[in-house]
Amino acid sequence: RKEVEQDPGPFNVPEGATVAFNCTYSNSASQSFFWYRQDCRKEPKLLMSVYSSGNEDGRFTAQLNRASQYISLLIRDSKLSDSATYLCVVKRLSGGYNKLIFGAGTRLAVHP
Amino acid sequence: DTEVTQTPKHLVMGMTNKKSLKCEQHMGHRAMYWYKQKAKKPPELMFVYSYEKLSINESVPSRFSPECPNSSLLNLHLHALQPEDSALYLCASSLSSGLYQETQYFGPGTRLLVL
Repeated sequence: RKEVEQDPGPFNVPEGATVAFNCTYSNSASQSFFWYRQDCRKEPKLLMSVYSSGNEDGRFTAQLNRASQYISLLIRDSKLSDSATYLCVVKRLSGGYNKLIFGAGTRLAVHP
Repeated sequence: DTEVTQTPKHLVMGMTNKKSLKCEQHMGHRAMYWYKQKAKKPPELMFVYSYEKLSINESVPSRFSPECPNSSLLNLHLHALQPEDSALYLCASSLSSGLYQETQYFGPGTRLLVL
């Protein structure tokens, strides 16, 4: 079993739709949590950090449930430009430093 | 300026060649990383440098040799690679390697093809 699990998708949604991505992690020592976005043939870019209280950035809302070891990302009013792969990332101590553990990513395709 | 630069963007090399990948950041970050990413897979950590010293080697074969000449530069020397080493090589940096909420910023990557 992978340490960070995501539904690979693809999620095919029309413009304007609301879409939700889920992620689970298995190591309870994980300390911090992120969503990264990666466009085809580009580098991962930080979308947002995820906090226990939940946080919102415009159309994007992230939630963390430490008890269930579950992270979510909600995208409202999807745009064509949201089409990308969304990587769920957790950070935990490994060998004395903080290591990023990536999920395999969830592909989103927004169509007109 | 949250920019990490990498050169070259693309590289084709034979199995007997020696080449180097370069990474540069001017954000004052003291931790730098090399990742390898195969198609449709997430990035896999290779090396971590903290304050110009190699902190982590994730059991990477010796045909990959990292070097950190100063706090802004990170190199990856390649020698006698195999075709299965073809991948996107990503460099990243963060303010330090110890703070749990620290963000890693990625460069655009070097797309490597080994023939």
